Amino acid sequence: EVQLVESGGGVVHSGGSLRLSCVASGFTLRSNWMYWVRQAPGKGLVWVSRIKNDDGSETTYADSVKGRFTISRDNAKNTLYLQMNTLRDDDTAVYYCVRGGHASGDLWGQGTLVTVSS
Amino acid sequence: IVMTQSPDSLAVSLGERATINCKSSQSVLYTSNNKNYIAWYQQKPGQPPKLLIYWTSSRESGVPDRFSGSGSGTDFTLTISSLQAEDVATYYCQQYYNSPPEWTFGQGTKVEIK
Repeated sequence: EVQLVESGGGVVHSGGSLRLSCVASGFTLRSNWMYWVRQAPGKGLVWVSRIKNDDGSETTYADSVKGRFTISRDNAKNTLYLQMNTLRDDDTAVYYCVRGGHASGDLWGQGTLVTVSS
Repeated sequence: IVMTQSPDSLAVSLGERATINCKSSQSVLYTSNNKNYIAWYQQKPGQPPKLLIYWTSSRESGVPDRFSGSGSGTDFTLTISSLQAEDVATYYCQQYYNSPPEWTFGQGTKVEIK
C-alpha cells in the first residue's frame, strides 16, 4: 500500500527540540519531491519545507522556520525527517509529510501533533 | 502570492451546486506551458487533506466527476455539481507557481448541508 506514516510528535517546552519522521511505503521516497506542511489547531494549511528528488542537497524553508528547522531524508530507510530546534509556541500544529505529485501534494500522511508549551 | 477564498463558509442543499472561488494576488499562469499552477484539496474533520484537482482542472484519480475546477490567471473556481453528504468538508486552494514559499494555500471554505 502506498502511504506515508509520520511519528515523533509530542509535547515539548519552548526552546526545545523534536525530530519528526515520515516513513514511506509503496514508493521510493528519493524519486519524489517531498514536503512538510503544518496546520495549527483550527487553522489552515501552511507550507514548512521541501526537499528535491535528487541527492537531497536542495532544500527550502518557510521564513518562519528558516535557521531552526532542517529537512532531510535517509534513502536506505525510505524515511523523511524534520529536525525542529528552538521551538516556539506558534510552532504548535499537526505536521504533515506530503509527496509532491503533479507539482502539488498527491499523497499526505495522517499527521503528527507537536505541542509547544511555555 | 496571497490566495483568498470566498466564501469562508457555504451551506448548500443536497443535490445542489456548490461553488468556491479562489483569487491569487498575482497571475499563476506559467506561459511556457500554458498551465495555471493551482490545486484544490478537500479536508474532512480529523483527516489529512486530499488532492482533488491539480493544474486548475485535472481531476485526481478516483475523484468523482461532480468535482471540477476552472479559471485562469488570478481567478479560479471549484464546483461541486451535485452536493452529496460525504462532501461536507473544508476545501483549500493552493498555488505552486511561486517559490519560495513553495506552496501557499487559501484560508479554506467550509461546506455544509443546508
